Amino acid sequence: LAKTTQPISMDSYEGQEVNITCSHNNIATNDYITWYQQFPSQGPRFIIQGYKTKVTNEVASLFIPADRKSSTLSLPRVSLSDTAVYYCLVGDPISNDYKLSFGAGTTVTVRA
Amino acid sequence: ETGVTQSPTHLIKTRGQQVTLRCSSQSGHNTVSWYQQALGQGPQFIFQYYREEENGRGNFPPRFSGLQFPNYSSELNVNALELDDSALYLCASRQLTGSVGEDNYGYTFGSGTRLTVV
Repeated sequence: LAKTTQPISMDSYEGQEVNITCSHNNIATNDYITWYQQFPSQGPRFIIQGYKTKVTNEVASLFIPADRKSSTLSLPRVSLSDTAVYYCLVGDPISNDYKLSFGAGTTVTVRA
Repeated sequence: ETGVTQSPTHLIKTRGQQVTLRCSSQSGHNTVSWYQQALGQGPQFIFQYYREEENGRGNFPPRFSGLQFPNYSSELNVNALELDDSALYLCASRQLTGSVGEDNYGYTFGSGTRLTVV
């Protein structure tokens, strides 16, 4: 599985936009980029997934440049409840042996 | 949808004992994975089952074993418990549909079982 690199931590304030960039220089042709969110003592929760360009849902946006060697998760107007660990993963979700390889993630702390 | 449920939620075992953790996959999901998450770290892949057969294993010793049943529920068994086995154990499931679309995002996780080995 391609390795990903993301910042260890980020601080923000309520109402601001938070952008977390993830590097995945060795991403394979069939790999998608997926982001999960995890609160303490809970399992990770799927946020968003994309292959190229831009994907947006009700929670976040995912920006992927043409070379796909990096991606940016954008959380608009964060609130205190967005304080969590965010994981960036790459892999081929079509494959029946698709598994998730988590790194340390980015701890996002939102302050009032 | 009932989501992924795990039992028990908390467990305390003594070193050397054996433990069985259980997972009920989300309805319709045919793939289940198990992860170990130590405090302050990301989840580490243990193994995965697809239609009752193991189709992937992480860097865990053979004393970590599992089963997936015809109804796609699953068990994780750990023998000869060690203190370092203390962790949150997560089960995740998904439905492999063969194409990536709105309904094939990825894995749905349970809330985990907190295992403490003393």
